[in-house]
Amino acid sequence: NAGVTQTPKFRVLKTGQSMTLLCAQDMNHEYMYWYRQDPGMGLRLIHYSVGEGTTAKGEVPDGYNVSRLKKQNFLLGLESAAPSQTSVYFCASSYSGGYGYTFGSGTRLTVV
Amino acid sequence: AQTVTQSQPEMSVQEAETVTLSCTYDTSENNYYLFWYKQPPSRQMILVIRQEAYKQQNATENRFSVNFQKAAKSFSLKISDSQLGDTAMYFCAFMKAGGTSYGKLTFGQGTILTVHP
Repeated sequence: NAGVTQTPKFRVLKTGQSMTLLCAQDMNHEYMYWYRQDPGMGLRLIHYSVGEGTTAKGEVPDGYNVSRLKKQNFLLGLESAAPSQTSVYFCASSYSGGYGYTFGSGTRLTVV
Repeated sequence: AQTVTQSQPEMSVQEAETVTLSCTYDTSENNYYLFWYKQPPSRQMILVIRQEAYKQQNATENRFSVNFQKAAKSFSLKISDSQLGDTAMYFCAFMKAGGTSYGKLTFGQGTILTVHP
C-alpha cells in the first residue's frame, strides 16, 4: 500500500544510548518532515527536508540529527538519548505542502 | 512566527448530535492554508478538512464543515450527526502559502472529543 512507513513502532532506550528512526515513503514526495507529539503541546517540527540531500531545522531540533540520502527515505537520529526525548515521533511527507501531509503511524519512544 | 490555539482541551457530545471545536490562530500572512486533522486511538493522523485562506466559501466534507472567519483569525470545525467513530483527538493546523514555507505545519494543542452512545 502506498504511504509512509515508520520503523520501529515502539522503542525503549536507556539514557545516553543512540538510535535511528527510519521513515520511508513511496509516493515520490519532495517534502518530508519529522514531528514530535507531547501531551498538551500538539505536534512540533523537529527537522524537515525539501528534497534529496537537503535538510533544515524546525522548531525543536536540539538533540536530533537527520539525513536524506535518498528521496524516499528520511532518517531521524538521536545520538545520546535523554528522558526529555520521550515522545511519540511522526514522520510525514508532502508533494506540495498546501494539500496537507501523509503521515506515518508514529513511533513511541521511551527514554529511561 | 505563527501560533495556533485550541482553547478546549476536551469536549463531549451525544451520538447523532452536533459539536463545534474551536481554533484561533495568529499570523501576519495573507495567504495560507488551514487544516483539521483527526487522531483516533490508533494514533494515525488523518486529514479531515482543508481550507484555503483566499477562498471565502467554507470547506465541507460530508458531516464535517468549517466556519472560517479570516478577519477574526478563527477556524472552527463542526461535526454533524456525530458518530462513535468520531471519538478522537482533533488538531487544528496552519500552513503559510508560498515556496518559502516548504509546507511546514504549525499545530494547535489538540482537543479530545468523546462521542457517547
